[in-house]
Amino acid sequence: GAGVSQSPSNKVTEKGKDVELRCDPISGHTALYWYRQSLGQGLEFLIYFQGNSAPDKSGLPSDRFSAERTGGSVSTLTIQRTQQEDSAVYLCASSHSDRAYGYTFGSGTRLTVV
Amino acid sequence: EDQVTQSPEALRLQEGESSSLNCSYTVSGLRGLFWYRQDPGKGPEFLFTLYSAGEEKEKERLKATLTKKESFLHITAPKPEDSATYLCAVQAHGSSNTGKLIFGQGTTLQVKP
Repeated sequence: GAGVSQSPSNKVTEKGKDVELRCDPISGHTALYWYRQSLGQGLEFLIYFQGNSAPDKSGLPSDRFSAERTGGSVSTLTIQRTQQEDSAVYLCASSHSDRAYGYTFGSGTRLTVV
Repeated sequence: EDQVTQSPEALRLQEGESSSLNCSYTVSGLRGLFWYRQDPGKGPEFLFTLYSAGEEKEKERLKATLTKKESFLHITAPKPEDSATYLCAVQAHGSSNTGKLIFGQGTTLQVKP
């Protein structure tokens, strides 16, 4: 597609439930990133996928967070047993390589845990 | 620890009133410094990449400069449509060799007509 597509755009969930957030990157982009943007905070790196290489999961805040990328394209970020502190905007970006100038961000998923 | 600090947190300008946004950084080897613009409800939009001290980039009313410790985003004669949050980020050389960025908290700019 023309841009990075994320769904849903908004998600309200009850504490303790699991959620899945989807990212559809720009066709042909080999690198995919997930970031989290909490109120009043800067963007926080979560995870990075590059081609067939093992993902860089160093930013995942706890083992309740996981992500996968199927077929080198669509990615899903899963948060299990959601907590109120998980409330944030989750942003996905893709690029041709690991050079960040190629980053294109999606509009994000706003997650609210009640 | 790699870190990015932006100031001020918020800036209000009158249309035509030029000013600068600051981004201070500490990083173990700078691979690149990036400026993004973010509008409410949208993802960040890429503006500039700077790679070495002394480098400058311009786009319309915006000019970004870089030193060894900080970057400035100069806004000349701003218009209301320049109102947005401006984000600074750095990419560090590291063993992980990824495109991971470290972001500052942003400066929210409001330009009044």
